[in-house]
Amino acid sequence: GENVEQHPSTLSVQEGDSAVIKCTYSDSASNYFPWYKQELGKGPQLIIDIRSNVGEKKDQRIAVTLNKTAKHFSLHITETQPEDSAVYFCAAKKNTGFQKLVFGTGTRLLVSP
Amino acid sequence: ETGVTQSPTHLIKTRGQQVTLRCSSQSGHNTVSWYQQALGQGPQFIFQYYREEENGRGNFPPRFSGLQFPNYSSELNVNALELDDSALYLCASSPLGAGGTDTQYFGPGTRLTVL
Repeated sequence: GENVEQHPSTLSVQEGDSAVIKCTYSDSASNYFPWYKQELGKGPQLIIDIRSNVGEKKDQRIAVTLNKTAKHFSLHITETQPEDSAVYFCAAKKNTGFQKLVFGTGTRLLVSP
Repeated sequence: ETGVTQSPTHLIKTRGQQVTLRCSSQSGHNTVSWYQQALGQGPQFIFQYYREEENGRGNFPPRFSGLQFPNYSSELNVNALELDDSALYLCASSPLGAGGTDTQYFGPGTRLTVL
């Protein structure tokens, strides 16, 4: 079945620095790749997503890139702020009516003032 | 527009008991998926409901079951609770079909503790 690996497991940066989180998926049939932010005691919040017909997508300080050949996708956060501190999850889904998201193991991002 | 809501927020049960968790999907969303998130891990897919029927299931035993109602709200039932069932249970809704997308929006979750 589909497997999603995520690195690093923890990431500490200074406020204003950039942060990059990387994921690799195993199933070439996957075509939808969302990123979620989860704060303590809350459910995952969708922050950005990308589909396999697009190589890059940007929304203000957040961008996602996708390399279908290498089965890699990455989250880039620029000008990090303390409120960006949270656990970030990548996920992958196949192109079926079946809604199963396969999640990575999460990255704990700590942004220090 | 109301987001995904779940109840209760916290629940404590003992081994062998049964539990029912509830989810109200986001307005206009006809598909509900349930996930289990153990501490320190990513969510694991349990099953999906569309048009009041289960139409996809992850690697969970039959003691995990569910329902979807005509208003698209949903229940997750777990029988014969085990200690390993202790987790955050997440509900996600999406406007699948009829021109909708497969983007999933999560609720805040129900924290289940099994003693």
